[in-house]
Amino acid sequence: QKEVEQDPGPLSVPEGAIVSLNCTYSNSAFQYFMWYRQYSRKGPELLMYTYSSGNKEDGRFTAQVDKSSKYISLFIRDSQPSDSATYLCAMSVSGGFKTIFGAGTRLFVKA
Amino acid sequence: GAGVSQSPSNKVTEKGKDVELRCDPISGHTALYWYRQRLGQGLEFLIYFQGNSAPDKSGLPSDRFSAERTGESVSTLTIQRTQQEDSAVYLCASSPDYTSTDTQYFGPGTRLTVL
Repeated sequence: QKEVEQDPGPLSVPEGAIVSLNCTYSNSAFQYFMWYRQYSRKGPELLMYTYSSGNKEDGRFTAQVDKSSKYISLFIRDSQPSDSATYLCAMSVSGGFKTIFGAGTRLFVKA
Repeated sequence: GAGVSQSPSNKVTEKGKDVELRCDPISGHTALYWYRQRLGQGLEFLIYFQGNSAPDKSGLPSDRFSAERTGESVSTLTIQRTQQEDSAVYLCASSPDYTSTDTQYFGPGTRLTVL
C-alpha cells in the first residue's frame, strides 16, 4: 500500500464549477500537508500548506485536513480555465525533511 | 530573483550510455532535493543535500544513480548505463533550510528519454 493515495483523474469540469480534490494517507505521523500545482512541462509550485487538522482558506482555494480519517482535500471555487493543471498532495512528518507526494490529479476546466 | 534552473531541458540517449543532469538552486538555499517523476505518477524522492552534511541517498533506486553537490551551489545527478525504465522527468528543488515546513522551489525538470 502506498503511503499516499491520490486519484490521477483526469477530472473535467465546466468553468465556474466547484472542484474537490482528495488524498488519503496511511502514516498517522504526518503533520504537514501541502498542495502543489503543476502546469504542463513545468515544476510543481506550492499552492497551500496546512499543519495538523482543520481548514485553511486562500482566495478561491480551501485546504481541509481530517487526521482522524487520514483524508485531505483541496476545494477550488469558481474554477477557471487557468486552473487546469495537475494537483499533487504532499505530506511530511514533524522535523523531517522527506516529503511524500501523491500521484497527482489532472484537472481540466472547460470554458 | 532567479528560480531553480535545470539543464538540459530534454535529453535523449541510447540504452547503456551515461547521462549527467544539472541543477542550479536558488542562491542561499541550503537544502537541495532530486526527484523522479514517471509519466502519470507522483514525485519519487531520490536524494537530499543539506549544507555540508552527508547527503541522504536513501531514495536512489540503484548504484547506477549518483549525485554530487558543490558546497551550497550546483548539483549534478549522474545515471550510468541508462536503462529504458530510467525514462522520466527528473526534478530538482531547493529550500532555504532543511525542515519540511520550508517550501520547496522546483525547477522545470529534465525530461530524459532512453531509447
